[in-house]
Amino acid sequence: DQQVKQNSPSLSVQEGRISILNCDYTNSMFDYFLWYKKYPAEGPTFLISISSIKDKNEDGRFTVFLNKSAKHLSLHIVPSQPGDSAVYFCAASVGGAQKLVFGQGTRLTINP
Amino acid sequence: SQTIHQWPATLVQPVGSPLSLECTVEGTSNPNLYWYRQAAGRGLQLLFYSVGIGQISSEVPQNLSASRPQDRQFILSSKKLLLSDSGFYLCACIQLAGGYNEQFFGPGTRLTVL
Repeated sequence: DQQVKQNSPSLSVQEGRISILNCDYTNSMFDYFLWYKKYPAEGPTFLISISSIKDKNEDGRFTVFLNKSAKHLSLHIVPSQPGDSAVYFCAASVGGAQKLVFGQGTRLTINP
Repeated sequence: SQTIHQWPATLVQPVGSPLSLECTVEGTSNPNLYWYRQAAGRGLQLLFYSVGIGQISSEVPQNLSASRPQDRQFILSSKKLLLSDSGFYLCACIQLAGGYNEQFFGPGTRLTVL
C-alpha cells in the first residue's frame, strides 16, 4: 500500500518558468511533510518541509503548499533553473521525522 | 552538522556472495540511523532503523540484516545476495532535539548483483 504517491514520474519545464511537483497521501495521521532533491549517484538532500498546522511554507524560490482536506501537497519552484534538474521526493511522517514514508519520486528536467 | 560516510561507493557482487555495507556518522551523538534502498525506477524504501546500539527494527522481510555495534556505526549485511538485492543503498540519520527534524542522507552505495 503506497501511502505517499507521486503520480508524475517525470516533468519537463522551461528555464525561468514555474515548476509544480505534486504529491498525494492517504494516511490522515501524517503531520509533517518534507521534500528532498536527489542528483544521480548521490544521497537526497533536504529541501523544505511543512507541518500540518500550516498550509504554506516558503524558502527562497521554493514554496510548499499543503491541502489537508485533499491530502495533497505540492512544491513550487519559481523561477526554475537548470540546476533544479533532479529527482524530487516527497516524504511524510507521523509525530515527528523518526520514520519517513517516501513517494516514488518525480524527475524534473529544466530546459534552457 | 552531521556528516555521513558510506563505503564502498560502488560494489559488484555475484549472486550468493555475502555483503557488508558500512555507514558511520560524525558530528552527532545518539542519532537515529536508517538504511534505505532505491531500486531502479522506484522510490526510497526504508529497510531498517535503529534508535540505539544493538536496537534494530526491520521494516520489510528480506534477505538483508542490519547491526549497530557502536553509537555512530550502522552496518547492512547479507549472507547470500540475490539478484533482487541490486540497488542504491542509502544511510540516513537524524538527531532528535525536540520538535521535528529532517533526515540527513549519506552519499549512498551502488550495489550490482550479477
